[in-house]
Amino acid sequence: SQELEQSPQSLIVQEGKNLTINCTSSKTLYGLYWYKQKYGEGLIFLMMLQKGGEEKSHEKITAKLDEKKQQSSLHITASQPSHAGIYLCGADIRKRGTSYGKLTFGQGTILTVHP
Amino acid sequence: NAGVTQTPKFRVLKTGQSMTLLCAQDMNHEYMYWYRQDPGMGLRLIHYSVGEGTTAKGEVPDGYNVSRLKKQNFLLGLESAAPSQTSVYFCASSYSGHPWVSNTGELFFGEGSRLTVL
Repeated sequence: SQELEQSPQSLIVQEGKNLTINCTSSKTLYGLYWYKQKYGEGLIFLMMLQKGGEEKSHEKITAKLDEKKQQSSLHITASQPSHAGIYLCGADIRKRGTSYGKLTFGQGTILTVHP
Repeated sequence: NAGVTQTPKFRVLKTGQSMTLLCAQDMNHEYMYWYRQDPGMGLRLIHYSVGEGTTAKGEVPDGYNVSRLKKQNFLLGLESAAPSQTSVYFCASSYSGHPWVSNTGELFFGEGSRLTVL
């Protein structure tokens, strides 16, 4: 089973709609990353969250890490076709002090935005 | 700056053949990683390196070997390719491996290498 579970696995929305992608772990997340990937390309860093309750925004994308640091959400407001791609969450879920920054990734969420 | 460069980008192998994927980064990063990406599985860590001359196993190291002779390069080798190794391989690098110490734990990824083993 995945140590990081993303939901939904795929999402199809109409342009202009809001959407949320979730990333959940049963363990504490010591650093939560959100990346975006377009087909055939590498991963583009979006945001990193470290502290419980932290929230960051960039343009129309907002990411939050819950107080327990076991769940993160990525919210896109007024989606555009340019938001389409695969969104991956990655996190260091190993015990603090014993990891060398080995990120574990969720299985990804495929986002399609219809114009 | 080129960032993280992977070569080759595409390769088709026959079962039993060997090959090496090369990853080069020009950001003077200490940490380098090799991941594989398969449908529905996300990214899984194969091997990683925390500095020149060091390597360590990740989640799925079997069937792969790596070397980090120079700080800027991280090589991934397949000695005897198997169809189960058909995948997209991503190399990544970072300055620091500890995101809780600084904000420099971000991973920078290459564009991927698509490998097919027949």
